Amino acid sequence: EIVLTQSPGTLCLSPGERATLSCRASQSVSSNYLGWFQQRPGQAPRLLIYGASSRATGIPDRFSGSGSGTDFTLTISRLEPEDFAVYYCQQYGSSPVTFGGGTKVEIK
Amino acid sequence: EVQLLESGGGLVQPGGSLRLSCVASGFTFSSYTMSWVRQAPGKGLERVSGITDNSGDTYYADSVKGRFTISRDNFKNTLSLQMSSLRAEDTAVYYCVKGGTRETFDHWGQGTLVTVSS
Repeated sequence: EIVLTQSPGTLCLSPGERATLSCRASQSVSSNYLGWFQQRPGQAPRLLIYGASSRATGIPDRFSGSGSGTDFTLTISRLEPEDFAVYYCQQYGSSPVTFGGGTKVEIK
Repeated sequence: EVQLLESGGGLVQPGGSLRLSCVASGFTFSSYTMSWVRQAPGKGLERVSGITDNSGDTYYADSVKGRFTISRDNFKNTLSLQMSSLRAEDTAVYYCVKGGTRETFDHWGQGTLVTVSS
């Protein structure tokens, strides 16, 4: 099983700032099958990024994903008020599909 | 527009059973792997079960193996999860998700809450 470790656990930033979230895998993620999800309170997760760097439909271009192998990053270039939420990474290249523990982005 | 509508959650006693359903629309249901992902209160995400497009292959997390059964009806565009021998640790919001191994988890239902308590 591939274990995904996200850091930091909590990120305290102000609107307009840049957010950098990390996801490290215990072994190489097959063909970069790495996704990022946003979850706002009381809502279902929403796919932001798939294939490590492709934005899902309707996702603003301030969200970008990068990385390969075992190290991946989600960057939010300029935080908007609606971006304060919990973010999860996921690998779906090998079974079992696994999720990271999440990074909470909160308002400073 | 893709829609996934879950139902069947509720309060059940330990050892009891519950059946979750998910009705899909807005895409060719029979062409995609479907999954159930759960989230315990205040916790992260766990894929508990999945089923391929033609029901040829299924997946169960170790935590539910032997207690949960996933199925689908491609004529009725419906995904189901039969849960038995429920435990307190099964308490969670259960999401119906379009996606699986090597398939993006690109659409999620709103979730249905299962509470296991006496």
